[in-house]
Amino acid sequence: QVQLQESGPGLVKPSQTLSLTCIVSGGSISSGGYYWSWIRQDPGKGLEWIGYTYYRGGTHYNPSLKGRVTISIDTSKNQLSLKLSSVTAADTAVYYCAAQSNVLNWFDPWGQGALVIVSS
Amino acid sequence: EIVLTQSPATLSLSPGERATLSCRASQSVYIHLAWYQQKPGQAPRLLIYDASNRATGIPARFSGSGSGTDFTLTISSLEPEDFAVYYCQQRTNWLALTFGGGTKVEIK
Repeated sequence: QVQLQESGPGLVKPSQTLSLTCIVSGGSISSGGYYWSWIRQDPGKGLEWIGYTYYRGGTHYNPSLKGRVTISIDTSKNQLSLKLSSVTAADTAVYYCAAQSNVLNWFDPWGQGALVIVSS
Repeated sequence: EIVLTQSPATLSLSPGERATLSCRASQSVYIHLAWYQQKPGQAPRLLIYDASNRATGIPARFSGSGSGTDFTLTISSLEPEDFAVYYCQQRTNWLALTFGGGTKVEIK
């Protein structure tokens, strides 16, 4: 089964762009067998789906974040990336990457998560 | 957007007791509903998918039921490791995947 690990800056200034990567191991991100998602969780609160992409397919974003978010795949590095622009304190959260296989269609597995704090 | 409402927000039970968690959808999600377990400092883990199927490695004490708008996650006899937060999630609308607000199962 694939394994996922997020990485990126833990602190971002307001109005800047949050950038995270998710390294995929145990499988190829370009195999076509998975949808690749980003999900975030406000500290102590619930889960919010950000969006997903799939190799040589489209991307779909949460309408509440549309216009600020970009999810992309880098096949040369076997990794997924997230960019969220014009961040505010409300974007402070733990950010997870997760995979949905074409067979199971649910979020499994997940990465361990990366805490991003938006603060000046 | 399909809104998922979980109840209760907190469930206080003792080990060995039965836990019954509810998830209600604002419109029919058919059986396109999953349950996840999250422990402090960890990512969520898939427990139940398509309303009633246990994910790989999930003990038989976990069961899911329901269809349409009303779903239930039952833990037949709570083990110490089951005290956690549980979330439901729908995928009927693939363009707007949503989660419920969660139910915390705590030790009484």
